[in-house]
Amino acid sequence: NAGVMQNPRHLVRRRGQEARLRCSPVKGHSHVYWYRQLPEEGLKFMVYLQKENIIDESGMPKERFSAEFPKEGPSILRIQQVVRGDSAAYFCASSPRQGREDTQYFGPGTRLTVL
Amino acid sequence: AQTVTQSQPEMSVQEAETVTLSCTYDTSENNYYLFWYKQPPSRQMILVIRQEAYKQQNATENRFSVNFQKAAKSFSLKISDSQLGDTAMYFCAFVAVSNYQLIWGAGTKLIIKP
Repeated sequence: NAGVMQNPRHLVRRRGQEARLRCSPVKGHSHVYWYRQLPEEGLKFMVYLQKENIIDESGMPKERFSAEFPKEGPSILRIQQVVRGDSAAYFCASSPRQGREDTQYFGPGTRLTVL
Repeated sequence: AQTVTQSQPEMSVQEAETVTLSCTYDTSENNYYLFWYKQPPSRQMILVIRQEAYKQQNATENRFSVNFQKAAKSFSLKISDSQLGDTAMYFCAFVAVSNYQLIWGAGTKLIIKP
């Protein structure tokens, strides 16, 4: 009865490197959401995906950030050429349908530290 | 714009006491859901309780209950018989039925003292 899984839990990158964050939703869930949490703040929406489709990426920076949710495999949040300001906790959530009536269930998060 | 406000950055109570965390929100939507999530030191985000705006009855989950005042746009969380394991950050969150983006408050740090 696995919940949302994220890996790695902790990721350290130097400025200019790439960060790849993975999220495996709850089995049977086809909707994935990524949120970012800066220190001492609540979460901020980044992107909403269904299988093979990006539904809403309005919360994601236009440059350097991308997300995908392929037909097979986990959802990936990719950050290219990381900068110190990208240091944050990145949470993935999933729901069986669009989150109108469904609670979003969260993974443990990936803590990204950019040196 | 929809906003969620948690006015208490930090609270602390003795074990076994009752504590209430406040949350207010602003929206023009009529149909929505409200949540309280708990984030312990492990940083995992755990759902505590959920309330549908169309339901007048306040949601309850064991020691956790809410006081939902729709007209006042208030959604407070009451923790009864608090336990050491309740020590965590507590976040209030809102989602409109017409949307899916959870809107989050800044959180309240709750410390339960032995």
